[in-house]
Amino acid sequence: DAGVTQSPTHLIKTRGQQVTLRCSPKSGHDTVSWYQQALGQGPQFIFQYYEEEERQRGNFPDRFSGHQFPNYSSELNVNALLLGDSALYLCASSLAHAGENIQYFGAGTRLSVL
Amino acid sequence: AQTVTQSQPEMSVQEAETVTLSCTYDTSESNYYLFWYKQPPSRQMILVIRQEAYKQQNATENRFSVNFQKAAKSFSLKISDSQLGDTAMYFCAFTINTGNQFYFGTGTSLTVIP
Repeated sequence: DAGVTQSPTHLIKTRGQQVTLRCSPKSGHDTVSWYQQALGQGPQFIFQYYEEEERQRGNFPDRFSGHQFPNYSSELNVNALLLGDSALYLCASSLAHAGENIQYFGAGTRLSVL
Repeated sequence: AQTVTQSQPEMSVQEAETVTLSCTYDTSESNYYLFWYKQPPSRQMILVIRQEAYKQQNATENRFSVNFQKAAKSFSLKISDSQLGDTAMYFCAFTINTGNQFYFGTGTSLTVIP
């Protein structure tokens, strides 16, 4: 049973560029959440997708956008990259209406903005 | 506002000994779920233990147990018989009943000393 997978593992970009990160949820899961984890900090919620719609959004600017596909996989896009966007980006999947409220995490994508 | 506070940035414990990690949280909600996640150097966030706020009985998972004090909004993690593989960052987190975003603390770095 494959867990949550994220790609790429590492990414280096320069300021002003755009980046796309990808996530495949755990088998059977239908909900994907994205988190940003700055160095030495806990993860911060970016947004959550369910049924291909953004269901909830954290305090992140519109430069952060996402998408969920019919197979439940998801992308996180960040435009006009800033140095402060350097972080570990974590994807988590869950099953809506399961009642257990557990999110399962991938190993993350390390983004470095130079 | 929902917040999580972990006041111990770093802790160490001798192998086979017991250690307790502290966590306090703040929410005005009455129904929520609390979690401890472990993040080893591999970066993948792994669920350690989960507690439902409406349950008075403290959760246990093998060597891991919690002390949940709802009135004090305290949720500490006790690790018994510490093992070298327990070395990791530990994050306390919670989500309210609607089960969307998780709120994380800043983490406690635990080192198990052989």
